[in-house]
Amino acid sequence: SQQGEEDPQALSIQEGENATMNCSYKTSINNLQWYRQNSGRGLVHLILIRSNEREKHSGRLRVTLDTSKKSSSLLITASRAADTASYFCATAALGTGANSKLTFGKGITLSVRP
Amino acid sequence: NAGVMQNPRHLVRRRGQEARLRCSPMKGHSHVYWYRQLPEEGLKFMVYLQKENIIDESGMPKERFSAEFPKEGPSILRIQQVVRGDSAAYFCASSPSGGGHGYTFGSGTRLTVV
Repeated sequence: SQQGEEDPQALSIQEGENATMNCSYKTSINNLQWYRQNSGRGLVHLILIRSNEREKHSGRLRVTLDTSKKSSSLLITASRAADTASYFCATAALGTGANSKLTFGKGITLSVRP
Repeated sequence: NAGVMQNPRHLVRRRGQEARLRCSPMKGHSHVYWYRQLPEEGLKFMVYLQKENIIDESGMPKERFSAEFPKEGPSILRIQQVVRGDSAAYFCASSPSGGGHGYTFGSGTRLTVV
């Protein structure tokens, strides 16, 4: 079953606008991670938020986690054309160890128009 | 620090041949993971290894697929008697011991079975 479900599936915004992407999951988690993938390339780790954390910041990125709703959001502020990529949320299930396998969603395609 | 190195980047095999995909983890990382990505899909977990040990192979197909991470040398994902359905991008990731740091992904091997 799909653990991470991102929403929306595709997002197109103008450069300078904020982009908000959402992720829902089904089971209890150890942590939730967001990754970016440029076309034809590998994944780049953006940010990790643990189950006991509610919000985390890294540069222009802001991630929130609501374990009661089993959801997370990724906010990219002041977007740039270079942010155009696919974004994936991934979860590490509770009880399987912090280094255990990740379950990925299908991803969100973000297009930032110059 | 060269990051996670995967080779080859592209691999073409005829049906029935064997495919060998190699992954050298990031320096200092002792955990290796293999994922498969089909077009327009998220990543699917295949196997999690530490040196000389398979920790979790719950995502590996029961037949034709095997993985190893020997004491010396890279991790190898081996696919015997490839079929067209094996065509995908195969990504390797590594993480340090101690848990919960997020993965570093390689650029992937794109396998095409003709």
